[in-house]
Amino acid sequence: LAKTTQPISMDSYEGQEVNITCSHNNIATNDYITWYQQFPSQGPRFIIQGYKTKVTNEVASLFIPADRKSSTLSLPRVSLSDTAVYYCLVRSGGGADGLTFGKGTHLIIQP
Amino acid sequence: NAGVTQTPKFQVLKTGQSMTLQCAQDMNHNSMYWYRQDPGMGLRLIYYSASEGTTDKGEVPNGYNVSRLNKREFSLRLESAAPSQTSVYFCASSESPRGDTHEQYFGPGTRLTVT
Repeated sequence: LAKTTQPISMDSYEGQEVNITCSHNNIATNDYITWYQQFPSQGPRFIIQGYKTKVTNEVASLFIPADRKSSTLSLPRVSLSDTAVYYCLVRSGGGADGLTFGKGTHLIIQP
Repeated sequence: NAGVTQTPKFQVLKTGQSMTLQCAQDMNHNSMYWYRQDPGMGLRLIYYSASEGTTDKGEVPNGYNVSRLNKREFSLRLESAAPSQTSVYFCASSESPRGDTHEQYFGPGTRLTVT
């Protein structure tokens, strides 16, 4: 049973705010939600992590509703360089659970 | 800091040949991971090491072996390469396997082709 579900692809334009939602209906009490970004021919790069409510850093915000069954990565004022694949993971413990990246969301930013 | 380094960057093998992919991190992280990524797919976990001296299977361990040589180094060995193992291999490390400290740092990848 997949732990997370994301849209396969999204399109937007430069200067827009982009929101990517991830569903994790079976999230456990101790699970944290983490988002990664991957450019072609590179390894994934950590973007942001959260447990509940809202987290913001210099590149993105992460919104988590009270039931924690979904989360939304928000990218403000995107540019062409934000074209990448974005992965959502949920994880708590030290085992292999939560370490499958899935296919992610391919975000394409147009001029 | 170099972060996570991987060698080689590219490799071509014939079916049945063996090779070892090397990975090292200089961030004093406890946990290390090996993933493979096939075209158009996400990353799948092959093996991981939660801490020095321990290794465990991930989602796709068949055909691979690993060694956590010390805290810095985690190698992946293909004993008898098969065309199905053609992929990009990524090594990663994290401070801890716990969810709240589980930011992974990835290496640049090794592109392996098995003919």
